[in-house]
Amino acid sequence: AQTVTQSQPEMSVQEAETVTLSCTYDTSESNYYLFWYKQPPSRQMILVIRQEAYKQQNATENRFSVNFQKAAKSFSLKISDSQLGDTAMYFCAFMNPYSGGGADGLTFGKGTHLIIQP
Amino acid sequence: KAGVTQTPRYLIKTRGQQVTLSCSPISGHRSVSWYQQTPGQGLQFLFEYFSETQRNKGNFPGRFSGRQFSNSRSEMNVSTLELGDSALYLCASSSGMGGNTEAFFGQGTRLTVV
Repeated sequence: AQTVTQSQPEMSVQEAETVTLSCTYDTSESNYYLFWYKQPPSRQMILVIRQEAYKQQNATENRFSVNFQKAAKSFSLKISDSQLGDTAMYFCAFMNPYSGGGADGLTFGKGTHLIIQP
Repeated sequence: KAGVTQTPRYLIKTRGQQVTLSCSPISGHRSVSWYQQTPGQGLQFLFEYFSETQRNKGNFPGRFSGRQFSNSRSEMNVSTLELGDSALYLCASSSGMGGNTEAFFGQGTRLTVV
């Protein structure tokens, strides 16, 4: 079974700063997907960024980028020029798409509460 | 395009009762997954349905069940409710299975068992 660990329960930064959220995972699979989801107070989970394990290039979406280190099983999220609207819970998630003929579903970390201070 | 709709948004039930939650996926999406979110256990995968078939199931007791209809709408049922079933239940839909298609989440159903 896969495990996902987020070691930072809470982080707080000033608006416009850059912040990096950490995530490590454990799996014996060679091909899988990694995700960062954002959950604002509205509780709706929103996909921030996705990384396919077989792609060496780190994914980037506007102000959001990842540092994917496959050998180290590390998948950190960097948010540049942070904005007040980035305040939310951030979850790192893993998916093995090939287990048992169907997806295992997403395995989530415990989350990091990111607070952007004005 | 309408998003994923979960009903009801809030629910209060008594121990021992049963409950049915509903999820209407985005039009055209055939995969629906369910997750339970609690402060203690975090987000946990319940099950996934694709074209009316359960494709995978998480590590939950048999009291948790689900189904998917021909229009891709899905329901999950919890029988003999326990206090520990109090949680936010999230539904996600996607056009396909696996991580190569984006999962879109609904706003969840907040279930409180008293």
